[in-house]
Amino acid sequence: AQSVTQLDSQVPVFEEAPVELRCNYSSSVSVYLFWYVQYPNQGLQLLLKYLSGSTLVKSINGFEAEFNKSQTSFHLRKPSVHISDTAEYFCAVSDRGTNAGKSTFGDGTTLTVKP
Amino acid sequence: DAGVTQSPTHLIKTRGQHVTLRCSPISGHKSVSWYQQVLGQGPQFIFQYYEKEERGRGNFPDRFSARQFPNYSSELNVNALLLGDSALYLCASRSPGLANQETQYFGPGTRLLVL
Repeated sequence: AQSVTQLDSQVPVFEEAPVELRCNYSSSVSVYLFWYVQYPNQGLQLLLKYLSGSTLVKSINGFEAEFNKSQTSFHLRKPSVHISDTAEYFCAVSDRGTNAGKSTFGDGTTLTVKP
Repeated sequence: DAGVTQSPTHLIKTRGQHVTLRCSPISGHKSVSWYQQVLGQGPQFIFQYYEKEERGRGNFPDRFSARQFPNYSSELNVNALLLGDSALYLCASRSPGLANQETQYFGPGTRLLVL
């Protein structure tokens, strides 16, 4: 069975400060890893994903995440946050192959960016 | 291109009633998954369908059922509604065998309130 633990339920930061949202996972098989963002009263938007290859993956809006196999972690970082980054962030894992449509999510981290 | 669409957007039901939620996947996507997101938690996997067959089921009671139609749209049915069924129900589609096959694209969700 898979599980995902997001270590911080709430992260308040000031605008232009760096931020890290932590995610640990457990799985007995090789997995895909994802970060999603959810704005109030909306569905989930894919932020970035790790499939294979380079352990550092980046999004178009400045976020990056690093896959660490030995620590089973996939932490999300941004060097300088904006007010518009305020949202709920979810880390997720899914099996490869036919079960890729069955994802296990963490309980989310609320990122609040203050002016 | 249209994304994943879900209907209705909001729904209010009373305990014991039945509800049907609908999902239309992105054109060309043959796999649909359903998730339940209770307030303050991450989404939980309910069902995965591919080519009209159930390919995975989460830890939900038999009151929950789903099906996929020849045009790959899907319905989620919940019988004998309980207060605890109040949640945001998310549908996601993906395209097994094609580019980005591991990526699920989420709809905006149906918010169900059971009174």
